Amino acid sequence: GNSVTQMEGPVTLSEEAFLTINCTYTATGYPSLFWYVQYPGEGLQLLLKATKADDKGSNKGFEATYRKETTSFHLEKGSVQVSDSAVYFCALSDPGDYKLSFGAGTTVTVRA
Amino acid sequence: DTAVSQTPKYLVTQMGNDKSIKCEQNLGHDTMYWYKQDSKKFLKIMFSYNNKELIINETVPNRFSPKSPDKAHLNLHINSLELGDSAVYFCASSQASETKTSGGRHTQYFGPGTRLTVL
Repeated sequence: GNSVTQMEGPVTLSEEAFLTINCTYTATGYPSLFWYVQYPGEGLQLLLKATKADDKGSNKGFEATYRKETTSFHLEKGSVQVSDSAVYFCALSDPGDYKLSFGAGTTVTVRA
Repeated sequence: DTAVSQTPKYLVTQMGNDKSIKCEQNLGHDTMYWYKQDSKKFLKIMFSYNNKELIINETVPNRFSPKSPDKAHLNLHINSLELGDSAVYFCASSQASETKTSGGRHTQYFGPGTRLTVL
């Protein structure tokens, strides 16, 4: 079956620090990969996505590259802000499969 | 303009009661979902409807019954609520035609969630 493994949190950083959240996956097909973000008290928002190998998704200064050879989709941001404090979820969707399979989520706290 | 909306946002009720959560999307999507987020933030699919037809029904107690009156609405009714039902329930939607043309690479858009507390 499909599964997503994320680095465990919580992660605490200072403002302007570099953020990396590791995500690896197992899938039966050729999946699409997503990062969703959940700000405190809110729902999930799509942050970025990639649909094929070597694609790079980017949004709001965040980036992630679809690496088929290492089955990874690590999230990075060069300089975080306090407003980036949230829970980040890596997810995948297999071809022909409607559901998203989520990782456990990583809580990120950015201190001023 | 809210894309995916849910009501209520908070729901506090006693064990044994029956309650419903409603979801509406104005994105013109034809597929809708219910996910459950537990206290550890873990997200798991419960149900999915495509064009009002049930297509995903994960291992969920039959006290949970989804209903889709039309493509834009998906409701979740829960009978005989138990303490373990306390969670945040998220509705989501996507466009299945995007799935067919892009080999399943569809994007799901989520509502703000309904926090259910069973006392």
